[in-house]
Amino acid sequence: DAGVIQSPRHEVTEMGQEVTLRCKPISGHDYLFWYRQTMMRGLELLIYFNNNVPIDDSGMPEDRFSAKMPNASFSTLKIQPSEPRDSAVYFCASSLVGQAGDEQFFGPGTRLTVL
Amino acid sequence: GQSLEQPSEVTAVEGAIVQINCTYQTSGFYGLSWYQQHDGGAPTFLSYNALDGLEETGRFSSFLSRSDSYGYLLLQELQMKDSASYFCAVNRDDKIIFGKGTRLHILP
Repeated sequence: DAGVIQSPRHEVTEMGQEVTLRCKPISGHDYLFWYRQTMMRGLELLIYFNNNVPIDDSGMPEDRFSAKMPNASFSTLKIQPSEPRDSAVYFCASSLVGQAGDEQFFGPGTRLTVL
Repeated sequence: GQSLEQPSEVTAVEGAIVQINCTYQTSGFYGLSWYQQHDGGAPTFLSYNALDGLEETGRFSSFLSRSDSYGYLLLQELQMKDSASYFCAVNRDDKIIFGKGTRLHILP
């Protein structure tokens, strides 16, 4: 398996623009997670899905952020409109069963810069 | 509330042993995970402790004391490639919460 795939790897955009990040989880994994990593706040869980259904979106910072998982092999995280404080590395991760202790497999991340 | 504390940086010498501590405060605790992240890379899973005691995997070991809300990661025979950030993560009944990470510097 190729592992978790994310695109794009780097994104530079201007404030106010819409940004869409994409993720393909490992085939057969039922759980998908979106994280944001910054120096100040560390690795924060934004939202996670179980079998394509959003379970917990309490980490989504505000209404400008939205995430979807239309099928088992694809998810998007959208920021509209983007702001400079959204600059961070965004990771997607997937796991087999989502139970405590289950290994999460992370994608390579998308480094987002909002000017 | 909930909190995770680990040192921001640790420095050790190649070939030596280093211990990275993690204390936590949370509800619904199931266990403690450890992840490694190299600069520019993604976090990768190292270990998981659900029960008290020491779990060993090669040069790395992880310890948990549930009564003390404390755990640590022990790295032996340090190699330069171990230079990375190490995150402890509380596994709750609903999600995983990551600490802010410990940057490990290794001196030759």
